Amino acid sequence: KAGVTQTPRYLIKTRGQQVTLSCSPISGHRSVSWYQQTPGQGLQFLFEYFSETQRNKGNFPGRFSGRQFSNSRSEMNVSTLELGDSALYLCASSSRGTNYGYTFGSGTRLTVV
Amino acid sequence: GIQVEQSPPDLILQEGANSTLRCNFSDSVNNLQWFHQNPWGQLINLFYIPSGTKQNGRLSATTVATERYSLLYISSSQTTDSGVYFCAVDSGTYKYIFGTGTRLKVLA
Repeated sequence: KAGVTQTPRYLIKTRGQQVTLSCSPISGHRSVSWYQQTPGQGLQFLFEYFSETQRNKGNFPGRFSGRQFSNSRSEMNVSTLELGDSALYLCASSSRGTNYGYTFGSGTRLTVV
Repeated sequence: GIQVEQSPPDLILQEGANSTLRCNFSDSVNNLQWFHQNPWGQLINLFYIPSGTKQNGRLSATTVATERYSLLYISSSQTTDSGVYFCAVDSGTYKYIFGTGTRLKVLA
């Protein structure tokens, strides 16, 4: 059974650019969550999607957006990148959401220069 | 919002030793998970444990929801247990709040 797949694994972008990260959940999982991990702020919640509906959003500026497709794959987009957006972005999938165990992907490490 | 505190922040053990990691949370929660992040950044789910006790090999966890804490026990530690252990809680809002973690180093 394939795990959670995140692409790309590494990314270097310039300030002001935009970026799209992708997450393919475990087959059959309908919930996808995104987290940002930085040395200073730790792991912070970005969004949670279930069957294409965003059920919660974290305290991030509007430059951070996401969506989920009918096949449960999810993307997140960050526009007008800032240096502080450099982080490890982690995606987790679950069959039912937070009332079940999460499986995380390997993450996308974004560096903004 | 809910606050999650983990202790100790750092722990160094000799291989074979046992340890207990603690997670305190400030309000009632619906869901709780323990994770291990390896040196390559991969987060591995250890337990989904909103209440009660579970065991998986050398690891076990106990959550006492009424007293707002959870414990993770590691017995006969191995060097591969090194990494950061996170506790995460959810109060039914579809998002987990993570603690700051316990960094464990197991020496051979």
